[in-house]
Amino acid sequence: QSVLTQPPSVSGAPGQTVTISCTGTSSNIGAIYDAHWYQQLPGKAPTLLIYGNMNRPSGVPDRFSGSKSGTSASLAITGLQAEDEADYYCQSYDNSLSGYVFGTGTKVIVL
Amino acid sequence: QIQMQPSGPGLVKPSQTLSLTCAVSGDSVSSNSAAWNWIRQAPSSGLEWLGRTYFQSEWHYEYALSVKSRITINPDTSKKQFSLQLTSVTPEDTAVYYCARGHTWHLGWYFDLWSRGTLVTVSS
Repeated sequence: QSVLTQPPSVSGAPGQTVTISCTGTSSNIGAIYDAHWYQQLPGKAPTLLIYGNMNRPSGVPDRFSGSKSGTSASLAITGLQAEDEADYYCQSYDNSLSGYVFGTGTKVIVL
Repeated sequence: QIQMQPSGPGLVKPSQTLSLTCAVSGDSVSSNSAAWNWIRQAPSSGLEWLGRTYFQSEWHYEYALSVKSRITINPDTSKKQFSLQLTSVTPEDTAVYYCARGHTWHLGWYFDLWSRGTLVTVSS
């Protein structure tokens, strides 16, 4: 019962740009809480991709960028590469649930 | 290098208690800037945060409402690990379980380090 909604899948050819939306409510992203993003490669554990809406941990390519506006956050992947094919999840805090919540997840398909 | 290693039974019978342990190396479970979380992922499904423990002057425990009546997370500083207990399990608790370190952030924590997953199946 995810409270953050993402599109099930997005696709693009190598070199193109894809954007993943994460729609929340006034209890989470629309409140004061930041959005964070994770990449989950097939069969692997998730890894942190973006924290605090737009910050990249060391080692994450600058092809990945994040933003937040109102009750939504977005992740953009520019210069799409075959190795970017994975599931992507947003995450935030929800004050009505008093806990951490994840998005429904988006599968990125590289054509 | 910080590592987190979960361990525990891969098969649990319905109505019994699921118990997992996460060994932490390279960091301290009593660190003032980290929280120690359990997160699960049901088959072909999304991620679900279950709960966490962290130390800031005293130990704190926070649990997801969906499992609050059944869950306990405990730190063990002497063994450098923390544990998960989930009682009265049903097949709906079948999932890959991850332990993850939470990093403090001024507007909501994030999970900066994840263990490999461990599959727990609830079946008779």
